[in-house]
Amino acid sequence: GENVEQHPSTLSVQEGDSAVIKCTYSDSASNYFPWYKQELGKRPQLIIDIRSNVGEKKDQRIAVTLNKTAKHFSLHITETQPEDSAVYFCAAKRGSWGKLQFGAGTQVVVTP
Amino acid sequence: SAVISQKPSRDICQRGTSLTIQCQVDSQVTMMFWYRQQPGQSLTLIATANQGSEATYESGFVIDKFPISRPNLTFSTLTVSNMSPEDSSIYLCSVEDQTFATNEKLFFGSGTQLSVL
Repeated sequence: GENVEQHPSTLSVQEGDSAVIKCTYSDSASNYFPWYKQELGKRPQLIIDIRSNVGEKKDQRIAVTLNKTAKHFSLHITETQPEDSAVYFCAAKRGSWGKLQFGAGTQVVVTP
Repeated sequence: SAVISQKPSRDICQRGTSLTIQCQVDSQVTMMFWYRQQPGQSLTLIATANQGSEATYESGFVIDKFPISRPNLTFSTLTVSNMSPEDSSIYLCSVEDQTFATNEKLFFGSGTQLSVL
């Protein structure tokens, strides 16, 4: 089955700097890659996703890039703010009826 | 996106007892899932709740321990049976919204924080 590896496990950045989280996946047939943000004590929230027919997608300060050949995808957060502090999870899914496989998560801490 | 209500939000239970968690969605959804999130860990799929048939369990999870009901397209329950302290986790209901606008996106309920003493 699908295996998703996520790095780093923790990431500390200064407010205003950029943060990058990287994930690799094992199943070349995976075609859907969402990212979730989970604040302490809250549910995971979908923040951005990308399908395999697209190389990059942006939504304000966040962007996701996908390299199908290398089987990796990344989350980029620019101009980080303290409210970006949370755990971020990447995930991968194969096909319309496949199941999401989550990465281990990255704890992002943005210091003022 | 679908609005997902989950209850209870938290509970403290004695070992050997059972707890049933309810998940209610404000619209009909085909795919409903139950996840477990152990402290400081990622999300692990327990099972897919199938409407009108038995749930489909992932490796390491069995029906006797985690019976699931799905009587219709808007409601599901997960029971954690014969609990032990190792069952202390957050349990999350999730639905896959396959309407045109959101197309396969997975949304989560607010979760049930379970502590077993």
